[in-house]
Amino acid sequence: KAGVTQTPRYLIKTRGQQVTLSCSPISGHRSVSWYQQTPGQGLQFLFEYFSETQRNKGNFPGRFSGRQFSNSRSEMNVSTLELGDSALYLCASSLEAGFLSYEQYFGPGTRLTVT
Amino acid sequence: AQSVTQPDIHITVSEGASLELRCNYSYGATPYLFWYVQSPGQGLQLLLKYFSGDTLVQGIKGFEAEFKRSQSSFNLRKPSVHWSDAAEYFCAVGGVLTGGGNKLTFGTGTQLKVEL
Repeated sequence: KAGVTQTPRYLIKTRGQQVTLSCSPISGHRSVSWYQQTPGQGLQFLFEYFSETQRNKGNFPGRFSGRQFSNSRSEMNVSTLELGDSALYLCASSLEAGFLSYEQYFGPGTRLTVT
Repeated sequence: AQSVTQPDIHITVSEGASLELRCNYSYGATPYLFWYVQSPGQGLQLLLKYFSGDTLVQGIKGFEAEFKRSQSSFNLRKPSVHWSDAAEYFCAVGGVLTGGGNKLTFGTGTQLKVEL
């Protein structure tokens, strides 16, 4: 079974631009979560989607948004990029099945560099 | 609110030596606990998980962890470390108190270096 895939793997953007990252979950997984990883803040939860609905949101500004499609694929968008948005963005998927919902499988991440 | 503490930022061990990485959690109910490993430039790989039952859980790559409720700990162990184990290790907690959905809260990670 294929793992979580994320595209693109690397991105370089300029301050003020916007960016869209994509995530395809493991087949059969309907929950998709996004995390930001930086050396200073570590792994921080951005948001989680299930059944095309945002179910949980972390403490990030409104410039960070996401969506989920009917096939469970998800995208996240960051508008008006700031230097501090440079990070590894990780997507994770899980089954929607009681406690197994917390067993998350991660993709390789998208490395975003803002200049 | 739930939290995870990994008190050791860096650990260096010799190849073949035993390893223990510490993890303490704060959670107001029965937690679901996880250990993940991350190699440079890569995503997180699930090593093992604890949901309930036997407090000693086995994972991949020869790792095991023990859940101790009285100490709020979930330490990761390996009897004999291999050079390929050098990576960053993250402890995480999840559960019904995490604000809805399937959010995991991660520790700050422990960087493992293996000396040959």
